[in-house]
Amino acid sequence: DQQVKQNSPSLSVQEGRISILNCDYTNSMFDYFLWYKKYPAEGPTFLISISSIKDKNEDGRFTVFLNKSAKHLSLHIVPSQPGDSAVYFCAAGASGGYNKLIFGAGTRLAVHP
Amino acid sequence: NAGVTQTPKFQVLKTGQSMTLQCAQDMNHEYMSWYRQDPGMGLRLIHYSVGAGITDQGEVPNGYNVSRSTTEDFPLRLLSAAPSQTSVYFCASSRDRNTEAFFGQGTRLTVV
Repeated sequence: DQQVKQNSPSLSVQEGRISILNCDYTNSMFDYFLWYKKYPAEGPTFLISISSIKDKNEDGRFTVFLNKSAKHLSLHIVPSQPGDSAVYFCAAGASGGYNKLIFGAGTRLAVHP
Repeated sequence: NAGVTQTPKFQVLKTGQSMTLQCAQDMNHEYMSWYRQDPGMGLRLIHYSVGAGITDQGEVPNGYNVSRSTTEDFPLRLLSAAPSQTSVYFCASSRDRNTEAFFGQGTRLTVV
């Protein structure tokens, strides 16, 4: 049973518009969440995180929103750029879990001119 | 800065062969992990370590062994390779339990 789900395998967005990537989780013990970006033939790189004491975290063009009651988080990229084209992984962890991150299956974002 | 270094980048094994995937980090991180990435399944945790001499199992540990004799190194051993172990393997390290992990570039393993 997948504890972290990214139900959209792919997303296509026009340059300059908003990209919204979604993630759902089932384990109530998760209290911190991260987004990673992955280009082909490279390892994932950390993008942005949020802890359960917040409902929003912003870093430049990237904003993560957390809805604990719905067990849902989303990553907003505004404005989207062609260089944002990559696979985005949502990950969740529980405090005291020794960094045992559980990853979603990923969403492939394509930003076209 | 080297960060997390994995070797080799590519490997082809025959069923039944054994091999060790190497992982080294130069950031003095206590926490290190091994993940495998398979299509449609994201990254799944194989084994992890919270410090030298301490290791534990993740979600999919069967068929793999690890050890952590130093802070820097965290090798992953395949004892008897099987086609089901064909995957891309990533090593990661982090400063402590709730901070972001830094990943290596991955090892693409094919077992025939």
